[in-house]
Amino acid sequence: QSALTQPASVSGSPGQSITISCTATSSDVGGYNYVSWYQQHPGKAPKLMIYDVSQRPSGVSNRFSGSQSGNTASLTISGLQAEDEADYYCNSYTSSNSWVFGGGTKLTVL
Amino acid sequence: EVQLVESGGGLVQPGGSLRLSCAASGFTVSSDYMSWVRQAPGKGLEWVSIIYSGGSTYSADSVTGRFTISRDTSKNTLYLQMNSLRAEDTAVYYCARVPFQRDYFDFWGQGTLVTVSS
Repeated sequence: QSALTQPASVSGSPGQSITISCTATSSDVGGYNYVSWYQQHPGKAPKLMIYDVSQRPSGVSNRFSGSQSGNTASLTISGLQAEDEADYYCNSYTSSNSWVFGGGTKLTVL
Repeated sequence: EVQLVESGGGLVQPGGSLRLSCAASGFTVSSDYMSWVRQAPGKGLEWVSIIYSGGSTYSADSVTGRFTISRDTSKNTLYLQMNSLRAEDTAVYYCARVPFQRDYFDFWGQGTLVTVSS
């Protein structure tokens, strides 16, 4: 069974940068070139923030960036703002026509 | 403008059935891939099922044999037929679009709550 591991929580002060990691613990996550990231505010639907590891959809702030090293993908938010406080999920397609989400990371802006 | 609007959620007894709908606008459901993702109260996101543009369907092990994803192109609507419901199926169910031949969920509906309880 595929699994993506994220830290349960991260925090930072306004203006700082934070990084959320997402580590694949199984080899069947599609070569890990298909990582996407989603932001979810309480009571709201998830919103796509990053796709294909490092691509940003139109309308998403360039303060959000994605990267990958080996089996760990990362989401970096620079110039932290109060509105960035939310839950963040990584996701990857697997090699068996399925998708898997990480457990989610709660970002607190101090 | 792409929009997804779910409906059909509610309270159902264990062992019961429910059908969720997801009305799409701004694109054709049969031209892209469509998926269901759920979120149990206070928990993370869980992928449930997908239907490809060609009609092939796949589901998570946790729902295989109980849930069926389908679409009606004349109504531009996605469905999730849920049978043999269990307490652990209690969640907000979101429909989401996966662009053709891509692997990410670019548009999401607002979600519909399914509660399985006696």
